Amino acid sequence: NAGVTQTPKFRVLKTGQSMTLLCAQDMNHEYMYWYRQDPGMGLRLIHYSVGEGTTAKGEVPDGYNVSRLKKQNFLLGLESAAPSQTSVYFCASSYRITRGRYGYTFGSGTRLTVV
Amino acid sequence: AQTVTQSQPEMSVQEAETVTLSCTYDTSESDYYLFWYKQPPSRQMILVIRQEAYKQQNATENRFSVNFQKAAKSFSLKISDSQLGDAAMYFCAYGSWNTPLVFGKGTRLSVIA
Repeated sequence: NAGVTQTPKFRVLKTGQSMTLLCAQDMNHEYMYWYRQDPGMGLRLIHYSVGEGTTAKGEVPDGYNVSRLKKQNFLLGLESAAPSQTSVYFCASSYRITRGRYGYTFGSGTRLTVV
Repeated sequence: AQTVTQSQPEMSVQEAETVTLSCTYDTSESDYYLFWYKQPPSRQMILVIRQEAYKQQNATENRFSVNFQKAAKSFSLKISDSQLGDAAMYFCAYGSWNTPLVFGKGTRLSVIA
């Protein structure tokens, strides 16, 4: 099993450009998440999804949009990239959290630099 | 909102010694889960250990163990017999059935040979 796959792994954008980060999981997980990691800030939740066709805002949603048209994919879009969005982005997935079933699986991250 | 606090930005330990990383959290829920993740320079997020709040027994995984104090909302990680490969960022995280994982800001652990 591949687990959670993020593409691309690295990207450099110019201010104002747009791009989409793709997250794909093959574990039939219901829930998917996008986090960003900045030095000294830990991981902060951007958006998440509890099922196909549903999305919800996290702690730092501004400047990002997401879509979950298929259960296995969760897309993160930047419509007009800003230098403040320079970060490492992590996707994760999980089953619906219940007792005895609450593990998260993380992708390997995408390093995005906006110049 | 739930919060997770790691009060030690950096820690160091001599090889073969024991080190404890601190974590406190704030929540009004009674049923939740706590995690410690390791992030080496490769930036991969590696699950070290996890604890279910309804279980009183502290979790252990080989050289890694936790001290879970539910009333004090404290969840510390003890690493015994530290090895050079333990050097990494360590993140404490909280989650529940209706709350995505909330992370602390991390503790950078150095292991001195």
